[in-house]
Amino acid sequence: DAGVIQSPRHEVTEMGQEVTLRCKPISGHNSLFWYRQTMMRGLELLIYFNNNVPIDDSGMPEDRFSAKMPNASFSTLKIQPSEPRDSAVYFCASSLLAGGQNEQFFGPGTRLTVL
Amino acid sequence: AQSVSQHNHHVILSEAASLELGCNYSYGGTVNLFWYVQYPGQHLQLLLKYFSGDPLVKGIKGFEAEFIKSKFSFNLRKPSVQWSDTAEYFCAVKGGADGLTFGKGTHLIIQP
Repeated sequence: DAGVIQSPRHEVTEMGQEVTLRCKPISGHNSLFWYRQTMMRGLELLIYFNNNVPIDDSGMPEDRFSAKMPNASFSTLKIQPSEPRDSAVYFCASSLLAGGQNEQFFGPGTRLTVL
Repeated sequence: AQSVSQHNHHVILSEAASLELGCNYSYGGTVNLFWYVQYPGQHLQLLLKYFSGDPLVKGIKGFEAEFIKSKFSFNLRKPSVQWSDTAEYFCAVKGGADGLTFGKGTHLIIQP
């Protein structure tokens, strides 16, 4: 299994531009999570999906952030417009089910730099 | 809300030294506890996890952790570290919510 796949691995953009991060979960996994890692705040959960349905988006910082999961094998995290304070590493993770004793498997992350 | 506190942000040890990284959590209900490791330039990998049963859990690469419910702690240990253990270590808890709540991480440097 290829594991969780994220693209791009690195993204450099200018303030005000739209950024789209992509994630392909492990085949057969029903839950998908988006996390953000910064020096100041560490790793934070942004949003997660069960069976393609968003369950908890309370971690999404503001309306500029949106996430979708149109099917079981693909999810996007979009920032529009982007700001320098959005610079971080964004991780996607998947698991069999969000609840219960299921391990979350993490992707390699997307390092976003907003100038 | 649940939270996780890791006591040491940076730890420097010599090879063969013993390691203990502290982790305390706050949550009143049943918890699942995890330690993840992030090697330089790599993604998060699970070291070990506790769900129920024996509070002393063994993970990969010689790591172990002990869940002490009365102290709300889940400290990570390794009797003899190696240079290849240099990495960032994260303690995480899953309580009422399904997502993981992570500590700020401990940056471990092993000197050869």
